[in-house]
This record gives sequence, structure tokens and C-alpha cells, in this order.
Amino acid sequence: DIVMTQSPDSLAVSLGERATIDCKSSQSVSYSSNNKNYLAWYQQKPGQPPKVLIYWASTRESGVPDRFSGSGSGTDFTLTISSLQAEDVAVYYCQQYYNIPFSFGPGTKVDIK
Amino acid sequence: EVQLLESGGDLVQPGGSLRLSCAASGFTFSSFAMTWVRQAPGKGLEWISVICANNDNTYYADSVRGRFTISRENSKNTLYLQMNSLRAEDTAVYYCAKLRGASCYSDIDYWGQGTLVTVSS
Repeated sequence: DIVMTQSPDSLAVSLGERATIDCKSSQSVSYSSNNKNYLAWYQQKPGQPPKVLIYWASTRESGVPDRFSGSGSGTDFTLTISSLQAEDVAVYYCQQYYNIPFSFGPGTKVDIK
Repeated sequence: EVQLLESGGDLVQPGGSLRLSCAASGFTFSSFAMTWVRQAPGKGLEWISVICANNDNTYYADSVRGRFTISRENSKNTLYLQMNSLRAEDTAVYYCAKLRGASCYSDIDYWGQGTLVTVSS
């Protein structure tokens, strides 16, 4: 099974500053035949279901602000919020959909400093 | 507009059974893989099961395999999760979710609001 880890567990960033979350998979989630990374990022605000932000590691979901970006390949991935807004306070999860059982990272809580 | 409405969550005793339903609308249900994800109180997300649309294959997490069964009724645009031999550790909010493609190897692009299952005596 693929184990997903995230760092840090939590972070506090000033409004307008950059927030960076790392995600690592215990084995590659990159499929060579299509050159795709089977990695998604979700945002979950309190009392709400998760919402997809990024899929294929770097494709932004329609309607998601462009301050959110995803990067990485293989086993190492990053979600960047370029300029943190108050509405970005949430828990962020990465998920691999390369291998069943699909698995989520433990989550990273983002707060305002 | 895609909508996913879960129902069936309840308080059940250990060893009991429950069936969750998820009524889907706003998309061609039969063309997309569907999944169940749960979240224990105050905890992270746990993937538990998926059913593909392209071949109706089903897959499970080790934690529920042999106890839970995922199924779909395309004529009713409904996804199900039959849960048997429930344990205290199954207590969670259960989310129904739509995958982006027919293949099971897709990310989740829509989530329901969730239904709470509590297993306790």
C-alpha cells in the first residue's frame, strides 16, 4: 500500500504571504505511459466536505483561484498558496489515486498568523 | 449542477448493519466511477471503497473488506454502501463522492455533505 505523508502538520502564515505544503508518497505515483502523476489536493473547511483544488499534481480545478498551484513528480509534491487569504483557512489533504487502496495524507492545517 | 445526497446514517449497536444511500443528480451517473470516503470525528480522510463505471469492478480498504459492500443502481442514479458487522471504529461521517472519470483511477471532483454513522451500545 502507498503511504502518504505531509509536512508540516500545521502552519500559520500572515495574510498575503506564501504558504507551502509538502506531500510525499512511499512509492512513485507517476505512470510512465501517460506521464501523469496520480496526485490530487483537497481543501476542507470546518463543517464542510472536502473540495478538489488540484489534480494530476498540477492541474487546477475550474473555479479555483490561481493563487493555488501544485507541483512535483514521482514521490514528492507541493501545494503552494502564493498569497494567503482569510478564506484559505482550512485543512489540506493530498491523495494518491495511482494504486488501490487509494490513500490520503494526514492533512495540514493552515491558519492565519 | 452535480448533487450528491447521502442518507441512512444512524446510531447502531456493535455487530449491527446499516445501508447508506447516495442519490446523485446533475450528471450521467452511469458514466462515472463512485466512491465512499469516511472521516472519524476530528480525524483525517479515509478512503474505503470504489466502484468503477467502465467495468463495475469494486475495491475496498483492508479495514472494511468482507464487511462492507459497495453497489450502484444506475436506473435510480443511486450509490449504496451496505455495512455489516459494524465496529466502534467505523464511527465516522461517510461521504459519497463522484470520480472525475469512468475509471476508478481518477480523482474526486464532487463530494456529498456526508452522513453520520455512530456505532455504540
